[in-house]
Amino acid sequence: DTAVSQTPKYLVTQMGNDKSIKCEQNLGHDTMYWYKQDSKKFLKIMFSYNNKELIINETVPNRFSPKSPDKAHLNLHINSLELGDSAVYFCASSQAWTGEYGYTFGSGTRLTVV
Amino acid sequence: QKEVEQNSGPLSVPEGAIASLNCTYSDRGSQSFFWYRQYSGKSPELIMFIYSNGDKEDGRFTAQLNKASQYVSLLIRDSQPSDSATYLCAVNIRDNYGQNFVFGPGTRLSVLP
Repeated sequence: DTAVSQTPKYLVTQMGNDKSIKCEQNLGHDTMYWYKQDSKKFLKIMFSYNNKELIINETVPNRFSPKSPDKAHLNLHINSLELGDSAVYFCASSQAWTGEYGYTFGSGTRLTVV
Repeated sequence: QKEVEQNSGPLSVPEGAIASLNCTYSDRGSQSFFWYRQYSGKSPELIMFIYSNGDKEDGRFTAQLNKASQYVSLLIRDSQPSDSATYLCAVNIRDNYGQNFVFGPGTRLSVLP
């Protein structure tokens, strides 16, 4: 029974397209996150939602728009994809918005923009 | 100044040896420190967290925290080839959102049979 699941696992698309990545957690956690891991493996936060409310919105292009229909789901929509968006995107959740008990990560979505 | 720093490695140790991974951080007010392990092509998984100065042991893993010197380390005793992975240090920092967790760049560990 997967705790944090995200789909799709792989996404190959052309520049200029719009795509979405979905994330769901069944842990009952209040907080969910989107992280981007680039080719150098550096893991950087993009967004954080606590109980459907946006908490963290780091400096990412406004082509990226998160949506949280309920506290178990956090989706990421990306408009007008660019080559530089190619990365692995991880969804994560934590018990508290402070993250003090650590995160549980999804398996990642490898996005390749061609 | 980078907020969380780690040697990128690779750190190579022979099987059965102790692997020592280090992490330094810039925010003196940081209170929570985590170590994650990430196998190639997989997601990070939490292996340990530490909040207080000193040592915390869990099986073959020991986390060590020294807030005065602003470093946290992870020791892996009796290293196994299956421990070969990238180890990420994560530290809470105070920012515009109250607090946030920042990950270091990770240290790649290679345990040689």
